[in-house]
Amino acid sequence: EIVLTQSPATLSLSPGERATLSCRASQSVSRFLAWYQQKPGQAPRLLIYDASNRASGIPDRFSGSGSGTDFTLTISSLESEDFAVYYCQQSSNWPLTFGGGTTVEIK
Amino acid sequence: EVQLVESGGGLVQPGGSLRLSCAASGFTFNNYAMSWVRQAPGKGLEWVSVISGSAGSTDYADSVKGRFTISRDNSKNTLYLQMNSLRPDDTAVYYCAKGIHLLAVSNSFDPWGQGTLVTVSS
Repeated sequence: EIVLTQSPATLSLSPGERATLSCRASQSVSRFLAWYQQKPGQAPRLLIYDASNRASGIPDRFSGSGSGTDFTLTISSLESEDFAVYYCQQSSNWPLTFGGGTTVEIK
Repeated sequence: EVQLVESGGGLVQPGGSLRLSCAASGFTFNNYAMSWVRQAPGKGLEWVSVISGSAGSTDYADSVKGRFTISRDNSKNTLYLQMNSLRPDDTAVYYCAKGIHLLAVSNSFDPWGQGTLVTVSS
């Protein structure tokens, strides 16, 4: 099973700041890596798929990069609605797995 | 608009059974693999099961293999999850989710349903 390790666990930032979230895979997943945002009481929402493709309707302040084992989600300038939990997910190997999540909280 | 609406959750005793449903609309249902993903209270996301668009291929997480069965009725645009021999650690919100890539089984998920809560407790 591929283990996805997200860091940091919590990121404390102010609106307008840049957020950089990391996801590291225990073995290569090529570019089969997605990022989701989840707010309290809501279902997850797809942000990025195949490492760097923005999903439909996602603002361009969200960007993804990386390949192999190291991936990054960047939020260029945090808006109030961006404070949430973010998960990465790999679809390279079965079983599909998720990272443990990074909470982006207001500083 | 693509919509997924789950139903069937509730309180069940350990060892009991429950069947979840997910009604889909807004897309050609039989062209896309569908998955169930769960989230225990206060915890992260766990993929549970997948079924291909034609229903010819299925897979399960080890934690549910032999106890859960995924199926779909393409004539009704509905996905199912039959859960047997339920355990307290199966307590979670269960989401159905659509694969993003046409005809592919392995996928990212978009969109997700609103989720249905399954509580296993005596």
